[in-house]
Amino acid sequence: GAVVSQHPSRVICKSGTSVKIECRSLDFQATTMFWYRQFPKQSLMLMATSNEGSKATYEQGVEKDKFLINHASLTLSTLTVTSAHPEDSSFYICSASSVLYEQYFGPGTRLTVT
Amino acid sequence: AQKVTQAQTEISVVEKEDVTLDCVYETRDTTYYLFWYKQPPSGELVFLIRRNSFDEQNEISGRYSWNFQKSTSSFNFTITASQVVDSAVYFCALSEGGTGANNLFFGTGTRLTVIP
Repeated sequence: GAVVSQHPSRVICKSGTSVKIECRSLDFQATTMFWYRQFPKQSLMLMATSNEGSKATYEQGVEKDKFLINHASLTLSTLTVTSAHPEDSSFYICSASSVLYEQYFGPGTRLTVT
Repeated sequence: AQKVTQAQTEISVVEKEDVTLDCVYETRDTTYYLFWYKQPPSGELVFLIRRNSFDEQNEISGRYSWNFQKSTSSFNFTITASQVVDSAVYFCALSEGGTGANNLFFGTGTRLTVIP
C-alpha cells in the first residue's frame, strides 16, 4: 500500500513555543490530507482537512490560528502548533488520500508540551 | 450524534479464545465505507479492512472475520483463536461518500487484552 510518513515521531517542547509537524506522501500525490488528534485513551478526532493549494477546512472547536496547516504541494502538508500549551499534548496523526488512493495514515507524532 | 459506536470499552480474553468486537454505525448516505484499524501501543494505525456499503458479503482473512449487516447497521469483527499479539486498541470507522477517501469518523475504540 501507499506510504505516508510523519516527522518528527516524538517532540517535547516548552510551553509557549511553536512546533511544526510534517506529513509526506512518499509514493503518491495526495490531493487531500487530514489531520487527526488523539488524546490518551481516547479516539481519533478530525482536526482539519487540507486540499493542495487551498486553505484548510477546520472542524468545529479547532482554532485555526493556533493550528496552522499548510498543504503547499501534493506530497507535503505541515501542521504547526503555535504557542503550545500542556493541554495541546497529544498524538497527532495525518492521513493522505487522492482520487486514486484511499486514505493512508502516517505513523503519528507524539507531542509533549512541558 | 455519534456516527460510530463501539459499546465495548475493554475486553479481556484468554489466549485461544474467540472474541467479537462490536461496531454500530449511523449515516444517511447510501454510499459509504466502513473500516477497522488496529492500534498497538506504538500508536501507529494498522489497516485491517475496508468494506463499501454495497458489499454485504462477510469476509475472512486468516483468524480475522467481519460480519457486515446493513439491516442492523453493524460491522462486527471477530478474532478466532486469539493470541497475545492481538492485544491492542481496535477502532471501527466510517467514511461517507463514494470514494472511501473522505475523512473518517472513528468509534471510541475497544481495548482488547489477550491473557496468555
